Amino acid sequence: QQQVKQSPQSLIVQKGGISIINCAYENTAFDYFPWYQQFPGKGPALLIAIRPDVSEKKEGRFTISFNKSAKQFSLHIMDSQPGDSATYFCAARNYGGATNKLIFGTGTLLAVQP
Amino acid sequence: NAGVTQTPKFQVLKTGQSMTLQCAQDMNHNSMYWYRQDPGMGLRLIYYSASEGTTDKGEVPNGYNVSRLNKREFSLRLESAAPSQTSVYFCASRKEIYSNQPQHFGDGTRLSIL
Repeated sequence: QQQVKQSPQSLIVQKGGISIINCAYENTAFDYFPWYQQFPGKGPALLIAIRPDVSEKKEGRFTISFNKSAKQFSLHIMDSQPGDSATYFCAARNYGGATNKLIFGTGTLLAVQP
Repeated sequence: NAGVTQTPKFQVLKTGQSMTLQCAQDMNHNSMYWYRQDPGMGLRLIYYSASEGTTDKGEVPNGYNVSRLNKREFSLRLESAAPSQTSVYFCASRKEIYSNQPQHFGDGTRLSIL
């Protein structure tokens, strides 16, 4: 129940296309869903996050769509650019839990071809 | 702005050797974390420290020990390294363990155990 399942494992998109990464969870106590972006040789950095009281959050070309009933959330990258090539991790947090830990998905390696 | 600094960046050990990975943050954060990142496994929490003077086990603590030396520093020790501990290790910090603020990650230590 503590898992966050992420797909696909890797993704190749043409420049200007839309990149879509999906995550699913089981624990309904999760209340915060961030996405992290990681470039080679660097640590993950927070990209965008959503709470379950909204269905969508947009920041620039990045949008999170959240479906509470299906227990799924996804990251959409519009007008994908080569500079977006990175590994993306979804995560979930149980704010009311004993530790408030983040549970990470397994990551998606995105390559945007010029 | 240094943020979270990890040393060393790379290390090769022989099976059975011991080593301490160092982490320091200059953001006056109370909580600190150690993760390991393995291909296809995402980020898994090894140990965390909610505040100075406290440490707790995460998801994969076996084979590791930690020390919260002071508010700034949180070290991870491998007493007798095993090949299964070959991984990239990330340290992270957050203002408060129960805050909505993001975790800030260091750039990692790449550790190989031969």
